[in-house]
Amino acid sequence: NAGVTQTPKFRILKIGQSMTLQCAQDMNHNYMYWYRQDPGMGLKLIYYSVGAGITDKGEVPNGYNVSRSTTEDFPLRLELAAPSQTSVYFCASSYSTGWAGSYNEQFFGPGTRLTVL
Amino acid sequence: TQLLEQSPQFLSIQEGENLTVYCNSSSVFSSLQWYRQEPGEGPVLLVTVVTGGEVKKLKRLTFQFGDARKDSSLHITAAQPGDTGLYLCAGENYGGSQGNLIFGKGTKLSVKP
Repeated sequence: NAGVTQTPKFRILKIGQSMTLQCAQDMNHNYMYWYRQDPGMGLKLIYYSVGAGITDKGEVPNGYNVSRSTTEDFPLRLELAAPSQTSVYFCASSYSTGWAGSYNEQFFGPGTRLTVL
Repeated sequence: TQLLEQSPQFLSIQEGENLTVYCNSSSVFSSLQWYRQEPGEGPVLLVTVVTGGEVKKLKRLTFQFGDARKDSSLHITAAQPGDTGLYLCAGENYGGSQGNLIFGKGTKLSVKP
């Protein structure tokens, strides 16, 4: 199993450009997540999905969009890149029933380092 | 808003020393996870603790969940350079959104040979 894969690994964007960060998992996990990690700030949840066709906002969704058309893929779209979106982006997945006794243990991809100039 | 406070933020020690990292909150969590993240990589799950007072050992790492399920600690015995990395705690609360995790800001550990 490849686990969680992310592309690209690095990207530099100009202000106002758009791009899609790709994320795929081959573990048949139902939950998928997008986080951003800024220096000294831990991980902040951008969007998450509990299954194909279902997405919801996390803590910092502004400036981003997601879709989940399949169980495996969860792309993150930046429409109008801004310098404040310079960060490292991590995709994660987990299997959870949402009930007691099912723990949301997450598997992370290697990250995409994005710089907006 | 649920918060997890980790301390210390940075820790630099010599090989062979012991250390403890703390993760504290005013909120109760149904489970708490510890992750380690190495530079340029994503976090990797180390352990999940679920019962108040629970202690789990992973080789030289000992994890404890507080009796009230509001805090946790990670103790490393005889630290080695391979232990270097960012240690993140993350709490899960079934009262929250779909079991999402709340992450602390992390403790950056450097173990010098």
